[in-house]
Amino acid sequence: EAAVTQSPRNKVTVTGGNVTLSCRQTNSHNYMYWYRQDTGHGLRLIHYSYGAGNLQIGDVPDGYKATRTTQEDFFLLLELASPSQTSLYFCASSLGGADYAEQFFGPGTRLTVL
Amino acid sequence: GDQVEQSPSALSLHEGTGSALRCNFTTTMRAVQWFRKNSRGSLINLFYLASGTKENGRLKSAFDSKERYSTLHIRDAQLEDSGTYFCAAGTGGYKVVFGSGTRLLVSP
Repeated sequence: EAAVTQSPRNKVTVTGGNVTLSCRQTNSHNYMYWYRQDTGHGLRLIHYSYGAGNLQIGDVPDGYKATRTTQEDFFLLLELASPSQTSLYFCASSLGGADYAEQFFGPGTRLTVL
Repeated sequence: GDQVEQSPSALSLHEGTGSALRCNFTTTMRAVQWFRKNSRGSLINLFYLASGTKENGRLKSAFDSKERYSTLHIRDAQLEDSGTYFCAAGTGGYKVVFGSGTRLLVSP
């Protein structure tokens, strides 16, 4: 069974604050992704990675950094959080490859920026 | 760019009834996934299809790459089916596009 975990599950910070969201997958997948999901919208891709040390820019990267330290661990960093970054954040992993590979999602992190 | 149109945006069902959700794609997709976001906010994988149909209990999904659509049928709806349903599809590689979701409310 695919396993993607995220921490924390909930986070409240203030404008200008520094936040790190963590994601770990034990699927031995190559690809990992960070998405945000806002009411009335589908998931939007922030950053993704296809291996340790690799980082690719997604569709809505402004205000976010990310780092893939190992095959298992992918972090999302908000160095100067803003209220517009209040959202539900999902991490996902997939085997990757040429075809669209099934993605497996973590439980989500709800971030509130006051 | 690649887009997904998901409909309806909201749906109300009485227990025991059924309906269908649909996603139309603006380009040829290689595979589609369907998810449900439950009351805790977690995304539950429902189906992954590269073609054809799949069925799981009261849920059935179909994907027609050539005609550029996918459907999710719910029959005999139960209260626990309430939530937001998303489709996602990809043309290959990492790039995946999501529908905007269907909020389903099942009432007694």
